[in-house]
Amino acid sequence: QKEVEQNSGPLSVPEGAIASLNCTYSDRGSQSFFWYRQYSGKSPELIMFIYSNGDKEDGRFTAQLNKASQYVSLLIRDSQPSDSATYLCAGVNYGGSQGNLIFGKGTKLSVKP
Amino acid sequence: DVKVTQSSRYLVKRTGEKVFLECVQDMDHENMFWYRQDPGLGLRLIYFSYDVKMKEKGDIPEGYSVSREKKERFSLILESASTNQTSMYLCASSLGGATEAFFGQGTRLTVV
Repeated sequence: QKEVEQNSGPLSVPEGAIASLNCTYSDRGSQSFFWYRQYSGKSPELIMFIYSNGDKEDGRFTAQLNKASQYVSLLIRDSQPSDSATYLCAGVNYGGSQGNLIFGKGTKLSVKP
Repeated sequence: DVKVTQSSRYLVKRTGEKVFLECVQDMDHENMFWYRQDPGLGLRLIYFSYDVKMKEKGDIPEGYSVSREKKERFSLILESASTNQTSMYLCASSLGGATEAFFGQGTRLTVV
């Protein structure tokens, strides 16, 4: 069974700190990864995707991928209370005739003012 | 902007009823998905479709069926609703199977 695993948290950081969210995956064939943010009672929304080893930065967010270690992370710099949400990591399952996303169970982040 | 619209935000149905959840996307995406989300279990894939009239089972298809008669519309059918199908149902669409998925607002279904 292909899996994406995340620490469920909750992860609590003070405002202005760096929040580090981690994800591991079991399928060595996975090439693409996605980070979604989900506020309570809302649907997931895409923050970033990453296909290549290394870092990818977008504003306060940095995604990191290490394919050899099967490890993906999301760093949030200068964390704000509005970043408080559940963060979902997703990888691609290439089983079947078409790919589809497999999601981790999510890490709940709380940013304290 | 991509828009994925689910027909209902909240639904309450009785055990044994046949339930239809409708989803429409406006970006001409090939792929559409139905997930359910439960506390502690995360997002689990029920069914997906990569073309009109084509469908594939996800991880938890039992008790569900789907229909895709038109490219923009993907329906989830609970043939005989049961209380263990009380959940948040999320529809999503994507251009390809390995590309980002865009989600609808979700339908919270309660089966009593």
